[in-house]
Amino acid sequence: GAGVSQSPRYKVAKRGQDVALRCDPISGHVSLFWYQQALGQGPEFLTYFQNEAQLDKSGLPSDRFFAERPEGSVSTLKIQRTQQEDSAVYLCASSPEGRRFDQPQHFGDGTRLSIL
Amino acid sequence: QKEVEQNSGPLSVPEGAIASLNCTYSDRGSQSFFWYRQYSGKSPELIMFIYSNGDKEDGRFTAQLNKASQYVSLLIRDSQPSDSATYLCAVNPGGTASKLTFGTGTRLQVTL
Repeated sequence: GAGVSQSPRYKVAKRGQDVALRCDPISGHVSLFWYQQALGQGPEFLTYFQNEAQLDKSGLPSDRFFAERPEGSVSTLKIQRTQQEDSAVYLCASSPEGRRFDQPQHFGDGTRLSIL
Repeated sequence: QKEVEQNSGPLSVPEGAIASLNCTYSDRGSQSFFWYRQYSGKSPELIMFIYSNGDKEDGRFTAQLNKASQYVSLLIRDSQPSDSATYLCAVNPGGTASKLTFGTGTRLQVTL
């Protein structure tokens, strides 16, 4: 597809369950980012990949959060032992070359995660 | 102090008027600045970006950057009801850091 694709669009899980969120970036984009957006707030950075290398994971809120991009294309964000505070929209973005400050990031439609 | 600050609004302007959205940032070394539009329940959509002092125009949109004052703004001319959305200001600190830091967004309402 032409844009960043995320699945599922909606995910409901019970507290304590593990979830996996998928992101398929724009074809050829080297850089991939994950953000978390709480209701009424701006997106907050979670982690960043350059190809398959995870260069920055400073925004991951706890060790329950794990992201990977094994072949430098599709990425998965995994949350283990989910808690209610994990409820948010998880946004994925990609850019051609993230290390250049003048390149914008393009966002997918996000996954809305609700923890019951 | 938040790293990127925006007035949450709502900012209400009549159709056809100019909407002025403002953003301040705390990191003086920040290098590039982005405006995203976000409709309710949708993903952020890039409107404009700017990295040099001064104005940058694209159609009805003008981004203005003043690095000395650590201030960036977005002007929307001839506002339309379809412009009603939340506008997010995002800052890239530059260097080897690639993450964007977002403000909380300003909700714009264009009234008929």
